[in-house]
Amino acid sequence: AQTVTQSQPEMSVQEAETVTLSCTYDTSENNYYLFWYKQPPSRQMILVIRQEAYKQQNATENRFSVNFQKAAKSFSLKISDSQLGDTAMYFCAFMYNAGNNRKLIWGLGTSLAVNP
Amino acid sequence: DAGVTQSPTHLIKTRGQHVTLRCSPISGHKSVSWYQQVLGQGPQFIFQYYEKEERGRGNFPDRFSARQFPNYSSELNVNALLLGDSALYLCASSLEGALHLFFGSGTQLSVL
Repeated sequence: AQTVTQSQPEMSVQEAETVTLSCTYDTSENNYYLFWYKQPPSRQMILVIRQEAYKQQNATENRFSVNFQKAAKSFSLKISDSQLGDTAMYFCAFMYNAGNNRKLIWGLGTSLAVNP
Repeated sequence: DAGVTQSPTHLIKTRGQHVTLRCSPISGHKSVSWYQQVLGQGPQFIFQYYEKEERGRGNFPDRFSARQFPNYSSELNVNALLLGDSALYLCASSLEGALHLFFGSGTQLSVL
């Protein structure tokens, strides 16, 4: 079975500082994709960054970057120059092929507070 | 362009009742998925539809059903509501085979 674990229920960071959110996963699949989604109080899930498992290079999107360690099944998110608007729930998610569709498995989330 | 729209935004029902939730995907998106997010947890996959056909189903009882219409909008139906069905129901749309899911803001269902 596929599982995603986020061991940090809550995190806080000062504005302009850097914070790292942890995620580990377990799978026997070879082809899969990893995501970080952000869920602000508006409740809408917003894609932050995506990593294809077959790519060795870590994904980067502006202030957001990941540290993907495939052997360790670890996928952490680093937010640089944190902004007040980054305050949200952050979910790590794992996608794999299941028959004729793709399934998305989610962690429990990390609540991030950016303090002024 | 409009994003994924869901209606209603909030709903209160009592145990045993039936509920219908609606979702309109982004224009051009033919795939729609439904997720249940219980407070304090990550979303759980319920259904995926593509071109009006069910592509996948999560581990939910038969009280949960869905369908997709010719205009690619979708309905999620839940019969015989239980207290444990109280959750945020999220709809996501995507292009066929795409990795990027676009989510709506959800319907918050409270079962009393």
